[in-house]
Amino acid sequence: ELKVEQNPLFLSMQEGKNYTIYCNYSTTSDRLYWYRQDPGKSLESLFVLLSNGAVKQEGRLMASLDTKARLSTLHITAAVHDLSATYFCAVKGYGGATNKLIFGTGTLLAVQP
Amino acid sequence: GAGVSQSPSNKVTEKGKDVELRCDPISGHTALYWYRQSLGQGLEFLIYFQGNSAPDKSGLPSDRFSAERTGGSVSTLTIQRTQQEDSAVYLCASSYVLSGNTIYFGEGSWLTVV
Repeated sequence: ELKVEQNPLFLSMQEGKNYTIYCNYSTTSDRLYWYRQDPGKSLESLFVLLSNGAVKQEGRLMASLDTKARLSTLHITAAVHDLSATYFCAVKGYGGATNKLIFGTGTLLAVQP
Repeated sequence: GAGVSQSPSNKVTEKGKDVELRCDPISGHTALYWYRQSLGQGLEFLIYFQGNSAPDKSGLPSDRFSAERTGGSVSTLTIQRTQQEDSAVYLCASSYVLSGNTIYFGEGSWLTVV
């Protein structure tokens, strides 16, 4: 059964600092997604990572995928308050579980001035 | 519309009543998902439709939950004999089926069972 774990669950950081959110998954997959969710809102797609070694960047966020380690990271550079939100990774299963997109628990990011 | 459309946006219902939640996916998207998100929690997979294939219903929590997708487009999630633990946001998402395509989420239907 595909399981997805994120850490940390909660992250409080100061503006201008760097930090990384980790997403581990339990079975083979080659499709990993990162989403952002603001309070009371739906999910906004950030990145789709398709292959081992894939790296994508948008503004202060950079995501990478290591399929051998079954690990994806979301790196935040020089955080600003506007990045405060909950971030989810999600993994598409491989083989019998291909239909499901399984989400991690989410990381609540609070960027303090 | 340009995005995934869900209705109603908010629904308050009495325990024991049936509710229907509607999802209108992005035009041309053949894949459609339903998820449930309880307050402060992650997303729980419910059901997946892909074209004319049999849906993957493995996430439906009980036989009170059912979903259909008519004409490969609009989908309806039905909850019969609602219980208080059914209170949650029900999110619909759609995408093209090809690998790598972004999966877009609607704004959700907030269900409160009193």
